[in-house]
Amino acid sequence: GAGVSQSPSNKVTEKGKDVELRCDPISGHTALYWYRQSLGQGLEFLIYFQGNSAPDKSGLPSDRFSAERTGGSVSTLTIQRTQQEDSAVYLCASSLAAGLAGARGNEQFFGPGTRLTVL
Amino acid sequence: GNSVTQMEGPVTLSEEAFLTINCTYTATGYPSLFWYVQYPGEGLQLLLKATKADDKGSNKGFEATYRKETTSFHLEKGSVQVSDSAVYFCALSRSNTGKLIFGQGTTLQVKP
Repeated sequence: GAGVSQSPSNKVTEKGKDVELRCDPISGHTALYWYRQSLGQGLEFLIYFQGNSAPDKSGLPSDRFSAERTGGSVSTLTIQRTQQEDSAVYLCASSLAAGLAGARGNEQFFGPGTRLTVL
Repeated sequence: GNSVTQMEGPVTLSEEAFLTINCTYTATGYPSLFWYVQYPGEGLQLLLKATKADDKGSNKGFEATYRKETTSFHLEKGSVQVSDSAVYFCALSRSNTGKLIFGQGTTLQVKP
């Protein structure tokens, strides 16, 4: 079946512009996660959705970052007034259910990522 | 807080060599531990996992044992292949949200 998809695969933008990154999780997966992979910070958690609500936003680096999820499916990560330090690969993952990641059925499946470059 | 530390790379080995990538963690309670792999041009994939102390995760010839006494989860493979060249990430999950905390990643390059 189809895996997690993300679009666009690459995005180049100018400093100060807003960008939207999209994630389509695996059908039926109720949990959705955004992570960021950057040279300086490694791979870091941003936000977690259970259904359409986000009980854990603790990884969002500033109020320029926001995310939403609609219909328990597609999620959009929005970065306003982009800065050069926002340049990174943004990864989305989904899992069948919430709960401890090691539990049966809770493996996170990752998308290919969106590479964001802020000039 | 919870964190993961893994050995810095790159690690360069000849084909059929023995591989060890060290990973240690800091966490409250009893986290689940993971190794993820990112092949060139591909997304992150779960390689193996262990959910409690002394568990051994294994897949594709790779193994890692959850050692609570040394807070470690070292990745090993007896005989690496060129196709194992990738970036390997150690990770833990402690939260009931399932969020993963990753190490910095270790690049492995296997030469024929």
